[in-house]
Amino acid sequence: QVQLAESGGGVVQPGRSLRLSCAASGFTFSAYGMHWVRQAPGKGLEWMAVISKDGSQTYYADSVKGRFAISRDNSKKTLFLQMTSLRPDDTAVYYCAKDLRTDGFDYWGQGTLVTVAS
Amino acid sequence: QSALTQPASVSGSPGQSITISCTGTSSDVGGYNYVSWYQQYPGKPPKLMIHNVSERPSGVSNRFSGSKSGNTASLIISGLRAEDEADYYCSSFTSTGTWMFGGGTTLIVL
Repeated sequence: QVQLAESGGGVVQPGRSLRLSCAASGFTFSAYGMHWVRQAPGKGLEWMAVISKDGSQTYYADSVKGRFAISRDNSKKTLFLQMTSLRPDDTAVYYCAKDLRTDGFDYWGQGTLVTVAS
Repeated sequence: QSALTQPASVSGSPGQSITISCTGTSSDVGGYNYVSWYQQYPGKPPKLMIHNVSERPSGVSNRFSGSKSGNTASLIISGLRAEDEADYYCSSFTSTGTWMFGGGTTLIVL
């Protein structure tokens, strides 16, 4: 079955960087676009970024454009999110999600918590 | 990139039907049939309930349905059950090649 497992979260100081990973299994990873979505404590979902199946196209939410970078390694079935210049308002649970192709996100990981605090 | 507009909460009694609205613009909800809905319980990841406005993934109860009129999409839950009490989010593809979510709606089953 499809499984997505995020890792790399933790406590980081403002201005520092962090890289999240999402290990995929149970499906042909290289055939699907992938997304990052975050959720601040007690708040709603916020879409962050998407990457095409071959990694050639990426799109970002305005709130993270220029600070975050999405990438993937299809040989390792792994999705990444490189986060730089982190701010306290980046504190959230970060989810990776598989693209349904036609629309939407059909599988989600359990999420990894990123806390930006001094 | 403002969030799509959803009511903060809706409520209904068991057996009743409720509707959650999701209002956007012609650049997102109104411009594409790429509206999806998610159910989320506290501490859990979201679950896809509806995609492409009205398509139901395998395994999702037929008590859940979706529709769209103009710039507003709707999630309809019929035969309300206690287990439906959760947060619900809509999402839409946008003209800039990005996605956006609604602010979320808490469904209360009375």
